[in-house]
Amino acid sequence: NAGVTQTPKFRVLKTGQSMTLLCAQDMNHEYMYWYRQDPGMGLRLIHYSVGEGTTAKGEVPDGYNVSRLKKQNFLLGLESAAPSQTSVYFCASRRSSGYYEQYFGPGTRLTVT
Amino acid sequence: QQQVKQSPQSLIVQKGGIPIINCAYENTAFDYFPWYQQFPGKGPALLIAIRPDVSEKKEGRFTISFNKSAKQFSLHIMDSQPGDSATYFCAARRRDDKIIFGKGTRLHILP
Repeated sequence: NAGVTQTPKFRVLKTGQSMTLLCAQDMNHEYMYWYRQDPGMGLRLIHYSVGEGTTAKGEVPDGYNVSRLKKQNFLLGLESAAPSQTSVYFCASRRSSGYYEQYFGPGTRLTVT
Repeated sequence: QQQVKQSPQSLIVQKGGIPIINCAYENTAFDYFPWYQQFPGKGPALLIAIRPDVSEKKEGRFTISFNKSAKQFSLHIMDSQPGDSATYFCAARRRDDKIIFGKGTRLHILP
């Protein structure tokens, strides 16, 4: 099993450009999450999904959109990138019940100039 | 609003020492308290977790101590090794199923 994978690993964008980050998991998990990690800020939840076709806002959703068209994929979109969105983005997934462990992907380092 | 406060921000310990990382929470509705370990360039990975009806949990060299009345919990690493050098995050799960993370502690174990 590959677990949770993220593409791309690195990306540099200019202000105003758009991009989509892809997260894929092969563990048949129902729940998926997008976090951003900034120095000294820990992990902050952007959006999450409790199942195919459903999404919900997290702690810092502004400037981001998400979609969960397939159970194994969770996409994070930036429509008009801003320098404040420079961060490391992590995707995570977990089962829906019984055990709360989240499995994280390796991260995407995004720089917006 | 920071609901899980973690300290210290960074910690340097000699090999064999016992680093202790502390966390405090405000919301009494939290029902699950995990610790995640993150190595540079990698995603966080679950290290150990505890529920509020237990005061202590050990897994190998890692121990969580939990004080429900004080709303505090801590991670102790026994016989620390240079390979334990990483960033550690405490966290708490809310009843709405969201995990709130502390800001992290960067631990360095000197050889």
